[in-house]
Amino acid sequence: GDSVTQMEGPVTLSEEACLTINCTYTATGYPSLFWYVQYPGEGLQLLLKATKADDKGSNKGFEATYRKETTSFHLEKGSVQVSDSAVYFCALSDPGSARQLTFGSGTQLTVLP
Amino acid sequence: GAGVSQSPSNKVTEKGKDVELRCDPISGHTALYWYRQSLGQGLEFLIYFQGNSAPDKSGLPSDRFSAERTGGSVSTLTIQRTQQEDSAVYLCASSFGTSGYEQYFGPGTRLTVT
Repeated sequence: GDSVTQMEGPVTLSEEACLTINCTYTATGYPSLFWYVQYPGEGLQLLLKATKADDKGSNKGFEATYRKETTSFHLEKGSVQVSDSAVYFCALSDPGSARQLTFGSGTQLTVLP
Repeated sequence: GAGVSQSPSNKVTEKGKDVELRCDPISGHTALYWYRQSLGQGLEFLIYFQGNSAPDKSGLPSDRFSAERTGGSVSTLTIQRTQQEDSAVYLCASSFGTSGYEQYFGPGTRLTVT
């Protein structure tokens, strides 16, 4: 079945540091890929998405590129801020699975001033 | 406009009791999903409704769990004879369709079974 593996947390960075959160996936079809973010005390929000190979999703300074050859969708940001502290979830939606999301385990990010 | 709403926000119940969790999706969204977020299992898909089609129940963990969606809008997730392992945050999401559309999540219902 479908699965998503993302790097274990927690991750602690200083403000303005570079961020990479690794995400790899296994899927039977051609999935769409997503990064969701959960800020403290809030619900899940879509951060960015990519629907086909080589697409790059971007939002709020975050980027991720859909790499079919490595089945990866790593999240990157060049300079993190304290306000980026949250839990980040990589997810996929497989057209063969009624489009429900399959999530990774989540990565807690803390950015220190 | 209004987002996905869920009620109650918190529910504490005794083991063996039944509970009902409610989800109001965004108006006009035809697809509705239930997920469960727990410490041990992460985020798991439970059930999916699309329009008037039969729901996809493939993620329900046992026959104590059921859900319905009335009039293509509001959905209720029912857990019968609750167990301590049912303690989790239950999330509802809706989307305009199923082909590449974003799922919008509600704030969740935190269920604690004592």
